[in-house]
Amino acid sequence: EIVLTQSPTTMAASPGEKVTLTCRASSSVSYMHWYQQKSGASPKLWIYETSKLASGVPNRFSGSGSGTSYSLTINSMETEDAATYYCQQGSSYPPTFGGGTKLELK
Amino acid sequence: EVQLVESGGGLVQPGRSLKFSCAASGFTFSDYAMAWVRQAPKKGLEWVATIIYDGSSTYYRDSVKGRFTISRDNAKSTLYLQMDSLRSEDTATYYCARQIPGYNWYFDFWGPGTMVTVSS
Repeated sequence: EIVLTQSPTTMAASPGEKVTLTCRASSSVSYMHWYQQKSGASPKLWIYETSKLASGVPNRFSGSGSGTSYSLTINSMETEDAATYYCQQGSSYPPTFGGGTKLELK
Repeated sequence: EVQLVESGGGLVQPGRSLKFSCAASGFTFSDYAMAWVRQAPKKGLEWVATIIYDGSSTYYRDSVKGRFTISRDNAKSTLYLQMDSLRSEDTATYYCARQIPGYNWYFDFWGPGTMVTVSS
């Protein structure tokens, strides 16, 4: 089973700040997917196949990476971006999720 | 609009069974694999099971294999999860999720979830 390690576990960012969240896989994967989850709500697909934005996701978000290292970047933090973000790999069975990064507003 | 709505969660004693369902609408249910993903309180996400579009193949995480059964009724656009021999570690919110077709598994729509508490 591929283990995904997200860092940092928690961080705070000010409005307008650039934010980068990292996800490292214990073995190489073909793609990484990202989900946003706000408190009390279900997860939403946010970025799929490493770099494609899901419908309705603002273009200040981007995704990149390959092999064992992937990242989600917010070009300019906004209030509504405060949430927990999970990475997920599905190219190796079983599908696994990272532990999440909680992004707070500073 | 894609909608997934789970129902049937609740409080159950260890060792007992529970079955809940997920009603799907807004898309051709029989075209998609479906999955259950759970989240223990204050914890991360954990894939539980997947069933392919026609129900002919199912997949489970090791910790639920032999105890949980995923099934579907395409005529009713409904997904099910039968949970037997429940353990305290099965306590979680269970989400029904639509799975993208193909070999790269990920989930594009999620239901609001149903809470299952396993406790005596």
